Amino acid sequence: AQTVTQSQPEMSVQEAETVTLSCTYDTSESDYYLFWYKQPPSRQMILVIRQEAYKQQNATENRFSVNFQKAAKSFSLKISDSQLGDAAMYFCAYRSAWGSQGNLIFGKGTKLSVKP
Amino acid sequence: GAGVSQSPRYKVAKRGQDVALRCDPISGHVSLFWYQQALGQGPEFLTYFQNEAQLDKSGLPSDRFFAERPEGSVSTLKIQRTQQEDSAVYLCASSLGEGRIDQPQHFGDGTRLSIL
Repeated sequence: AQTVTQSQPEMSVQEAETVTLSCTYDTSESDYYLFWYKQPPSRQMILVIRQEAYKQQNATENRFSVNFQKAAKSFSLKISDSQLGDAAMYFCAYRSAWGSQGNLIFGKGTKLSVKP
Repeated sequence: GAGVSQSPRYKVAKRGQDVALRCDPISGHVSLFWYQQALGQGPEFLTYFQNEAQLDKSGLPSDRFFAERPEGSVSTLKIQRTQQEDSAVYLCASSLGEGRIDQPQHFGDGTRLSIL
């Protein structure tokens, strides 16, 4: 079975600085998707960024980028120029590329605080 | 509406009561997922529908949990004889599905269930 581990329960960053959130996962599959979701106090899960395992190039979305190390099974999220609105819970998630189901497997999350 | 709608937003019930949680997915979305998110944890998969067919219910924690999607759109998650350990946020997500494994899941705001 696949597992996702986020080893940082809480992180803090100064506004305008850069922060990196860590995620490791375990799988025997070769093809899969990885995601970072943001969950503000409103509770709605918001997709931040996604990575296809077969792509070597790291995904980027504006201030958000990932460092995907397939051999190490590591998938970290870098947030540049942090903003107050970035404060939230961040969840790393895995999804198999096989089959038609595609339920997500989440880590326990990292609570990010942004200091003004 | 354009997004996934869940109701009620909050539900308080006494132990032993039955509850029903509703999810209205994005129109045209074939796949529907239910997740349970305990306090301070990441969401955990409960069950999956493709149209009206419940293809996976392996995540349902006990036979007190029952989900349905009779017409392939709105889904209801029912919990019978509620217990305190059922207290959690219940998230619903939908996606285009039908083998489009790379389609993102769109989440609702969740229902926070508190069992007294």
